Amino acid sequence: AQSVTQPDIHITVSEGASLELRCNYSYGATPYLFWYVQSPGQGLQLLLKYFSGDTLVQGIKGFEAEFKRSQSSFNLRKPSVHWSDAAEYFCAVGTGNQFYFGTGTSLTVIP
Amino acid sequence: NAGVTQTPKFRVLKTGQSMTLLCAQDMNHEYMYWYRQDPGMGLRLIHYSVGEGTTAKGEVPDGYNVSRLKKQNFLLGLESAAPSQTSVYFCASRKGQMNEKLFFGSGTQLSVL
Repeated sequence: AQSVTQPDIHITVSEGASLELRCNYSYGATPYLFWYVQSPGQGLQLLLKYFSGDTLVQGIKGFEAEFKRSQSSFNLRKPSVHWSDAAEYFCAVGTGNQFYFGTGTSLTVIP
Repeated sequence: NAGVTQTPKFRVLKTGQSMTLLCAQDMNHEYMYWYRQDPGMGLRLIHYSVGEGTTAKGEVPDGYNVSRLKKQNFLLGLESAAPSQTSVYFCASRKGQMNEKLFFGSGTQLSVL
């Protein structure tokens, strides 16, 4: 069965520091991979996605993610975090008309 | 330019009551989904639809029913609500290809007492 693991439940970083959120997936073929962000009381918004081609993908708000097939990972990064990046981040895998989400990583940004 | 609209936004039910959540999208999307979000569990797929008149079970379908009589609407029903169904429910839709993003509604917070 497909699964998505986000090992970090909560991360705290200082504003201006770099950020990496981890995501590992379990799936036989190359899946469609996504990162979504959820602000409090809101639905989810797409940050970026990968389905083929260049393994380093750029998204909105200065985020990027790298697909590593050998590690079954799709980690999200940002060089310099802003206070407005505080939110919940979800990694997702798309396959067979369905989308499977990880349990999420909550990001706190310290001024 | 409403996107995905969910009604109601909040609801409190007593155990055993029934209710229907409505999801409406104005983007002519083929695919629609119902998720529930619980603390520490992420989003789990309840049911989904690949087009008008079709529905399929997701990861956690028990206790829920759905209907897609019109392309723009996807209804989620709880016939006999249970406290375990206390959750935040999200509807999402997408146009067609699997590499296309999901558009999410703003959620329905449901409490079952």
